[in-house]
Amino acid sequence: DTEVTQTPKHLVMGMTNKKSLKCEQHMGHRAMYWYKQKAKKPPELMFVYSYEKLSINESVPSRFSPECPNSSLLNLHLHALQPEDSALYLCASSPAAGGNQPQHFGDGTRLSIL
Amino acid sequence: AQSVSQHNHHVILSEAASLELGCNYSYGGTVNLFWYVQYPGQHLQLLLKYFSGDPLVKGIKGFEAEFIKSKFSFNLRKPSVQWSDTAEYFCAVNPYNTDKLIFGTGTRLQVFP
Repeated sequence: DTEVTQTPKHLVMGMTNKKSLKCEQHMGHRAMYWYKQKAKKPPELMFVYSYEKLSINESVPSRFSPECPNSSLLNLHLHALQPEDSALYLCASSPAAGGNQPQHFGDGTRLSIL
Repeated sequence: AQSVSQHNHHVILSEAASLELGCNYSYGGTVNLFWYVQYPGQHLQLLLKYFSGDPLVKGIKGFEAEFIKSKFSFNLRKPSVQWSDTAEYFCAVNPYNTDKLIFGTGTRLQVFP
């Protein structure tokens, strides 16, 4: 079992809906990440939070809005998504910022946009 | 731009066969290197990592990888595969002192009994 918990596991939403993905870790890690993984493709980095501050935004459209309320929790707020946003969204964490540490991944949320 | 190449997209082996999966990266600076595995329906798991020191690193489940700096390569090996090794394998590169982890395109390994 992974130590990074993502909820929900599956989400189906319409293009006008607003929903949120949640990620939680209790390993004391101070860096947290969101990735997007399309079928048969590698994970692509979206956002990085380091010590609860956004440190990297890989030019992600504003319809994706990350939030890190505390060091254990990472959210991804979704609004007005497009069908091409359907994918597996992975959360990861690592002990410290600045790289140089392996990342621990959650099971992901499989998102389908109707 | 930084990139990671995995030339073997799909590998099919019989049990007990030897495995070598290629990984090459393009980045001129210092890097940390990883191999992750994704078993069917499961999350990405770390197989092994290289940060510095001995370029031959050993990981879990009998896997090892060799970092060859002059070739910008970090190939994964296992002397004798098992059916349970069937999975997707990703090489990943972390440019030193950055938070970025760049994944290769992945190699799907199928092992038949």
